Amino acid sequence: GQQVMQIPQYQHVQEGEDFTTYCNSSTTLSNIQWYKQRPGGHPVFLIQLVKSGEVKKQKRLTFQFGEAKKNSSLHITATQTTDVGTYFCAGTEDSWGKLQFGAGTQVVVTP
Amino acid sequence: DGGITQSPKYLFRKEGQNVTLSCEQNLNHDAMYWYRQDPGQGLRLIYYSQIVNDFQKGDIAEGYSVSREKKESFPLTVTSAQKNPTAFYLCASTTPDRAIPNTGELFFGEGSRLTVL
Repeated sequence: GQQVMQIPQYQHVQEGEDFTTYCNSSTTLSNIQWYKQRPGGHPVFLIQLVKSGEVKKQKRLTFQFGEAKKNSSLHITATQTTDVGTYFCAGTEDSWGKLQFGAGTQVVVTP
Repeated sequence: DGGITQSPKYLFRKEGQNVTLSCEQNLNHDAMYWYRQDPGQGLRLIYYSQIVNDFQKGDIAEGYSVSREKKESFPLTVTSAQKNPTAFYLCASTTPDRAIPNTGELFFGEGSRLTVL
């Protein structure tokens, strides 16, 4: 069955540095979504990518969907303490309503 | 304000007891979902419902049951058959863009943390 894997599992970042988290699927995805979960909180939707090779930006966050629609990345520039949390990617094949979540990348920011 | 309400936030249960977690939404969403989250793991789908009076098993449905009698409500029962029920349970809802399948963003409740004593 479909599997979505995220790397790295943990990311320690110095404030001001950039980092990237990656999401890889064993199958071709129809779309991919990214969520952020703050410590003790619930996941909050960040963005959705649908098209092959799509790139979207939200301020310091850049999201990319691979050409083959089997991988995605989230790049954060100039990391801030507000970026702390776990970032999940979630993808789906054609079956309606069944998002497959990755295990997440837990981001810790040191001042 | 529109949103998803889960209750209770914290619940303690003795082994062998069934418990029901509540999930109510006033977003007029068609689809609702239950996920389980364990430390260091992603969200795993327990059950989902695309429409009232219909629901499907997710990846880890064993030991759980649901109902969808009203559009706004999707309660989850954790039965005594669930071997390891201690976890964080998240309810979510969405209205997919019917022009492109699976394009709806998920709106999550604040979660219910179940601990089995």
